[in-house]
Amino acid sequence: DAGVIQSPRHEVTEMGQEVTLRCKPISGHNSLFWYRQTMMRGLELLIYFNNNVPIDDSGMPEDRFSAKMPNASFSTLKIQPSEPRDSAVYFCASSRASGIRGNEQFFGPGTRLTVL
Amino acid sequence: DAKTTQPPSMDCAEGRAANLPCNHSTISGNEYVYWYRQIHSQGPQYIIHGLKNNETNEMASLIITEDRKSSTLILPHATLRDTAVYYCIVIRAGGTSYGKLTFGQGTILTVHP
Repeated sequence: DAGVIQSPRHEVTEMGQEVTLRCKPISGHNSLFWYRQTMMRGLELLIYFNNNVPIDDSGMPEDRFSAKMPNASFSTLKIQPSEPRDSAVYFCASSRASGIRGNEQFFGPGTRLTVL
Repeated sequence: DAKTTQPPSMDCAEGRAANLPCNHSTISGNEYVYWYRQIHSQGPQYIIHGLKNNETNEMASLIITEDRKSSTLILPHATLRDTAVYYCIVIRAGGTSYGKLTFGQGTILTVHP
């Protein structure tokens, strides 16, 4: 049973470039979460979707960040334009349902983003 | 959601039980205690959760005090692969808090031979 799949695993880009991170949640899970982890700020929730609908994007740092979930098996997190301070590990997670089970989240391996 | 306090680091000998404490003195009646861990260079991994009763699964046991103000995660026979950062999270089951896990600094558990 495949877990959460993220791509790419590593991304190095230059400041000002557009970056797109991709996530495939576990089949059957209807909630999807995007997190960012840095040494300074730890692990932060950016946005989450329920049944493909964005529910809470209060953690998205600014308008340069956007996330979409066009269907139940795919989500993207886009940064345009990217800046060096966006360098971090970005995790995608999914869960089966709301309520108690919704907090049992399964995390992907992460995408390590470096913006030069 | 209630704030949690964990020791920054702990050591444990391989094969021995690892007991990781968490203080959540402001926990509300409808808030659950969740434990996750993050092994180096991997995504966080769900371990266990509980409301007021002690819980056990194939990974660990969770002991919650009667007043629910603190809890202990127990890894009964720690192995080197259990070396990780362990996060204690308190969160409501639903409502506006749904899914919004707040990861603090956690406890760095080092299991040594």
